[in-house]
Amino acid sequence: RKEVEQDPGPFNVPEGATVAFNCTYSNSASQSFFWYRQDCRKEPKLLMSVYSSGNEDGRFTAQLNRASQYISLLIRDSKLSDSATYLCVVFSGGYQKVTFGTGTKLQVIP
Amino acid sequence: DAGITQSPRHKVTETGTPVTLRCHQTENHRYMYWYRQDPGHGLRLIHYSYGVKDTDKGEVSDGYSVSRSKTEDFLLTLESATSSQTSVYFCAISDRPGTSGGSSYEQYFGPGTRLTVT
Repeated sequence: RKEVEQDPGPFNVPEGATVAFNCTYSNSASQSFFWYRQDCRKEPKLLMSVYSSGNEDGRFTAQLNRASQYISLLIRDSKLSDSATYLCVVFSGGYQKVTFGTGTKLQVIP
Repeated sequence: DAGITQSPRHKVTETGTPVTLRCHQTENHRYMYWYRQDPGHGLRLIHYSYGVKDTDKGEVSDGYSVSRSKTEDFLLTLESATSSQTSVYFCAISDRPGTSGGSSYEQYFGPGTRLTVT
């Protein structure tokens, strides 16, 4: 089993739709969690950290479920500019114990 | 955007030649990282640095070495490039908690270097 798993997609959704991605992790001792977005042929950019209590930034909501070992990202009112690959990142004990998911591709359709 | 640059941005080299990639930051962040990104794999950590002259290996360090003689520069060297090292290489930086108000694990990436080994 991979340490971090994501559904690769693509998720094709119409503008204005709500879409959710999940990311599962295998190490129960994992400490810190993030979502990044990566546009085609560009560098990953930090989207948001994920906290146990859940956190929201505008149209984006991130949740952490430690019992089931997954994190989620919810995007409401999808925009064309949201089209990108979304990476989940898990730290499991130090700077060297970082694992990136392979990403979920989102395509928002007019 | 964080002040991180990488050079060169693109490089084509032959098998067996040495290659050095440079990462330069203007943020005075303590931690710097080198990753490679390949289709079907997430970003994988090659080496990281937690201070000047302090470096350690990541998940895929074989065939790579690094050096950090100044806070702002982190060099990645392929001593003898192989075709399996054809990849996109990203540098990233992060800071300590308390200095920026954020998590020390939040990383900010450079624009990447596309390396092709023929």
